[in-house]
Amino acid sequence: AQKVTQAQTEISVVEKEDVTLDCVYETRDTTYYLFWYKQPPSGELVFLIRRNSFDEQNEISGRYSWNFQKSTSSFNFTITASQVVDSAVYFCALNSGYSTLTFGKGTMLLVSP
Amino acid sequence: DGGITQSPKYLFRKEGQNVTLSCEQNLNHDAMYWYRQDPGQGLRLIYYSQIVNDFQKGDIAEGYSVSREKKESFPLTVTSAQKNPTAFYLCASSRRTDVGEKLFFGSGTQLSVL
Repeated sequence: AQKVTQAQTEISVVEKEDVTLDCVYETRDTTYYLFWYKQPPSGELVFLIRRNSFDEQNEISGRYSWNFQKSTSSFNFTITASQVVDSAVYFCALNSGYSTLTFGKGTMLLVSP
Repeated sequence: DGGITQSPKYLFRKEGQNVTLSCEQNLNHDAMYWYRQDPGQGLRLIYYSQIVNDFQKGDIAEGYSVSREKKESFPLTVTSAQKNPTAFYLCASSRRTDVGEKLFFGSGTQLSVL
């Protein structure tokens, strides 16, 4: 069985603040993949990043960065200098073994001007 | 442009009625999926298909049916047996169902009960 927990239901910040979205996962498989998706108000989920279990290097893409720590089973997502356009629901997801993708319940991020 | 098209964007169902949600993809993907999204509940898998003429139940298949007669199309029927159908429905596709495959999503259909 696999599970993803996003403990933060909703986060509100003011523009230019940094914000971190938490993701904790559970799996018994040694090979697995973690994902982050963004769901803007339009509804479509947009892929942000995929990371496999053998690659613990942190990644930075513009204002986005991801911190993968196997020791704590976490894959946290940080937005630096947030902008209003970052307002969305963000989903963390896990794929391992023969299971299909399992999503967390999502974190709604509200960035106000 | 390649992508996934869902229609309609909004759909209303009367009591006892079956309704069908359309999903078409032109990405040449083998696998397709249907998810249901309820507020604060994340995405839950209804059905998925790895190949034409084959599909498997997901976590919440009761009250739903699907078909996969063409690679490009994966329609979802919400039957009258689904007592709480109001939700946002998302269709997705991937090249295969191998572990680690990235999913591409459509823009969703909001289904409401009249």
